[in-house]
Amino acid sequence: AQSVTQLDSQVPVFEEAPVELRCNYSSSVSVYLFWYVQYPNQGLQLLLKYLSGSTLVKGINGFEAEFNKSQTSFHLRKPSVHISDTAEYFCAVSDMDSSYKLIFGSGTRLLVRP
Amino acid sequence: DADVTQTPRNRITKTGKRIMLECSQTKGHDRMYWYRQDPGLGLRLIYYSFDVKDINKGEISDGYSVSRQAQAKFSLSLESAIPNQTALYFCATSDLTQGDTGELFFGEGSRLTVL
Repeated sequence: AQSVTQLDSQVPVFEEAPVELRCNYSSSVSVYLFWYVQYPNQGLQLLLKYLSGSTLVKGINGFEAEFNKSQTSFHLRKPSVHISDTAEYFCAVSDMDSSYKLIFGSGTRLLVRP
Repeated sequence: DADVTQTPRNRITKTGKRIMLECSQTKGHDRMYWYRQDPGLGLRLIYYSFDVKDINKGEISDGYSVSRQAQAKFSLSLESAIPNQTALYFCATSDLTQGDTGELFFGEGSRLTVL
């Protein structure tokens, strides 16, 4: 069955440090991959997505993610975080088996400290 | 104005009461969804609708029902609310015109507390 694993429930980091939020998925077919961000008291907005083509995907606010098919991963990275990046981040996957309904991970809370 | 609007944004109710959460969208998307968010569990799909005449259960539909009144409106009902339905509820839409990828567009959420 399709699933998404975000191993880190919370990631504390100092401002201007790099960060990586990990995401692994399980699927036996071709997938589409997404990262969403949820700022406090707001809904989810799309950060970036992988549909096809280049495995390195760039998103908004300086974030990027790399699709690694052999490791079934889609880790999110930012070279230098800001206080304003404090939010919850969700990885999600869709494929033909799920009729392209998104399956979400449990989320990672990024806490940026000054 | 938001493309996907949820009402109410916050609601406190008592066990056993009937509650309706409403969602309307101006994006012109055919597909609409209701998700529930709980801390540490991410988002879980309650119901989804691919068009006005199509309603489908998600992974956690027990205790919920939905109504797709029009392409733009999709309501979620709790017939008899219970405390473990306390959660943040999201409505979302998706669009097929750019290909069927599953990408979702979310409302701002409805926080429901059942006492």
